[in-house]
Amino acid sequence: GQSLEQPSEVTAVEGAIVQINCTYQTSGFYGLSWYQQHDGGAPTFLSYNALDGLEETGRFSSFLSRSDSYGYLLLQELQMKDSASYFCAVRGSSASKIIFGSGTRLSIRP
Amino acid sequence: DVKVTQSSRYLVKRTGEKVFLECVQDMDHENMFWYRQDPGLGLRLIYFSYDVKMKEKGDIPEGYSVSREKKERFSLILESASTNQTSMYLCASGLAGGNTGELFFGEGSRLTVL
Repeated sequence: GQSLEQPSEVTAVEGAIVQINCTYQTSGFYGLSWYQQHDGGAPTFLSYNALDGLEETGRFSSFLSRSDSYGYLLLQELQMKDSASYFCAVRGSSASKIIFGSGTRLSIRP
Repeated sequence: DVKVTQSSRYLVKRTGEKVFLECVQDMDHENMFWYRQDPGLGLRLIYFSYDVKMKEKGDIPEGYSVSREKKERFSLILESASTNQTSMYLCASGLAGGNTGELFFGEGSRLTVL
């Protein structure tokens, strides 16, 4: 089967940097994605890593290490609007099947 | 912009009723998905489809079925609704293969089974 693990909650200070980790177990691997979901809203796509290394998109970066079955989402210069739930998702056993983690709720303090 | 439209935002049904949740996407995506979201459990995959009339079970298919007669439409069916199927249901679509892994989600259908 497939499974993903990520912390349930993270708290950070406005303007700081926070890292949300994700470890996965899959029978195959195509790529790791990250999604953001605000309360009452739909998940929205942030990033995708198919190869090892860091992908940067503005204040957000995502990292993947396939040998460690591990990835993280890095959020810099945190803003209050970044308070949301963040999900990692893996395309694993088939290129079409996408499985999500249980989500990390990020709370930001002023 | 890609649009994924779910037919109902809120539904209230009684135990034993048959429930249809409809999802339509307008970007000619091959892949479509149904997830349910419950607090603390994240998004759990019920079924997905990679082509018309093709479907595969996700991690929690029991009590559900799906239909994909047209590329743009993916329906989730609860043959006999039960209270433990009270949840938020999210439909998503995405391109087959590719190198983005990006899914586009609908706004969700919140189902309450009494």
